[in-house]
Amino acid sequence: EAQVTQNPRYLITVTGKKLTVTCSQNMNHEYMSWYRQDPGLGLRQIYYSMNVEVTDKGDVPEGYKVSRKEKRNFPLILESPSPNQTSLYFCASSRSEISYEQYFGPGTRLTVT
Amino acid sequence: QKEVEQNSGPLSVPEGAIASLNCTYSDRGSQSFFWYRQYSGKSPELIMFIYSNGDKEDGRFTAQLNKASQYVSLLIRDSQPSDSATYLCAVKGSTSYGKLTFGQGTILTVHP
Repeated sequence: EAQVTQNPRYLITVTGKKLTVTCSQNMNHEYMSWYRQDPGLGLRQIYYSMNVEVTDKGDVPEGYKVSRKEKRNFPLILESPSPNQTSLYFCASSRSEISYEQYFGPGTRLTVT
Repeated sequence: QKEVEQNSGPLSVPEGAIASLNCTYSDRGSQSFFWYRQYSGKSPELIMFIYSNGDKEDGRFTAQLNKASQYVSLLIRDSQPSDSATYLCAVKGSTSYGKLTFGQGTILTVHP
């Protein structure tokens, strides 16, 4: 089944404890992206990757890191999480540039206390 | 001014009516426009995309684009209770290739 998977789906952590949210797609997509969704603010793009080893900042990259060493994986790293990073996070992928349909993962709900 | 702004909701329509969802954007050079639907607790899913001025129809959905007015809309004909969801407008701008900006979403409720 073609899909985007994220792990973990739910995470409660404490301020300053490094964490990684994994994202993997099995559709051989070139483009991958991370979003956060907050009430009243819609989806905001954190980082995106056009292909392996090529990443760029979205609208809200502060406090996040990404890497794209393999085509299928695009992990999101929070080196020192803070409470304002409490949010619902979505990973998405598409065949190439975003004129094509983006497929979203199931979401990761992160709470930072 | 927000880069992408949607009409404030929530929007409530009776079953069988036309639901009209609106979106304006600030980047005049924007190229591509998308409408996503998101059910409560679920991921967004693409329902329409449009590149050219005018209308694009797909079943009960019609997307309308007016680049001169920097306006894109989504019409849902014969609205059904199953259409109740949050609708997200997304715009690909003229710079930062690969960047996609979403509006804040409009909650639509279709009541029987």
